[in-house]
Amino acid sequence: SQQGEEDPQALSIQEGENATMNCSYKTSINNLQWYRQNSGRGLVHLILIRSNEREKHSGRLRVTLDTSKKSSSLLITASRAADTASYFCATAPGEFSGNTPLVFGKGTRLSVIA
Amino acid sequence: DARVTQTPRHKVTEMGQEVTMRCQPILGHNTVFWYRQTMMQGLELLAYFRNRAPLDDSGMPKDRFSAEMPDATLATLKIQPSEPRDSAVYFCASGLTRRGDSGIRRTNEKLFFGSGTQLSVL
Repeated sequence: SQQGEEDPQALSIQEGENATMNCSYKTSINNLQWYRQNSGRGLVHLILIRSNEREKHSGRLRVTLDTSKKSSSLLITASRAADTASYFCATAPGEFSGNTPLVFGKGTRLSVIA
Repeated sequence: DARVTQTPRHKVTEMGQEVTMRCQPILGHNTVFWYRQTMMQGLELLAYFRNRAPLDDSGMPKDRFSAEMPDATLATLKIQPSEPRDSAVYFCASGLTRRGDSGIRRTNEKLFFGSGTQLSVL
């Protein structure tokens, strides 16, 4: 069963605009990760944020984590047509990583229109 | 660049036939995962291994699916007999599990995915 649920399911924006995707999860986590999937390809890791972190940046990506609300957001600034893809959040459940594998949400489909 | 290699990329077969999917994890990675992706269910974990030992295969239909790691460079997922409902994209992913300073394993810091096997069972 899905641990993380992304919102919205689909998002369409103009090139240059910012895109924000949200992820909610149900249980305590060790870390939360965001992945991108281009059509017909495998998932590619974007960024990882640990449960004791609140914000993280990587290039045009900004991820926030609110463990009290069990939610995370991914912001892509100054979007480009090449950012068109599906974006997934994945959680490592449990206070400790232990033996728990990543659980993925169903993703947000982002379309950036040139 | 190191990458996870999956074969075949596409497979079309008839119901009842055996299907074997192969995965070569990134050299040095000790954890291997099999996921299945469908529109309805999203990404589902089927099985995973650490140091070639199966840790969890509860996501697989046991009567028809089997996953093995004959050696550290090869993971296989077999379906016998295949059914139309098995049609999906099957992904293999690998990662590195290391012990943290506290002695607790830090699992799945980052996964590397293959390009997947798109399976169609007619």
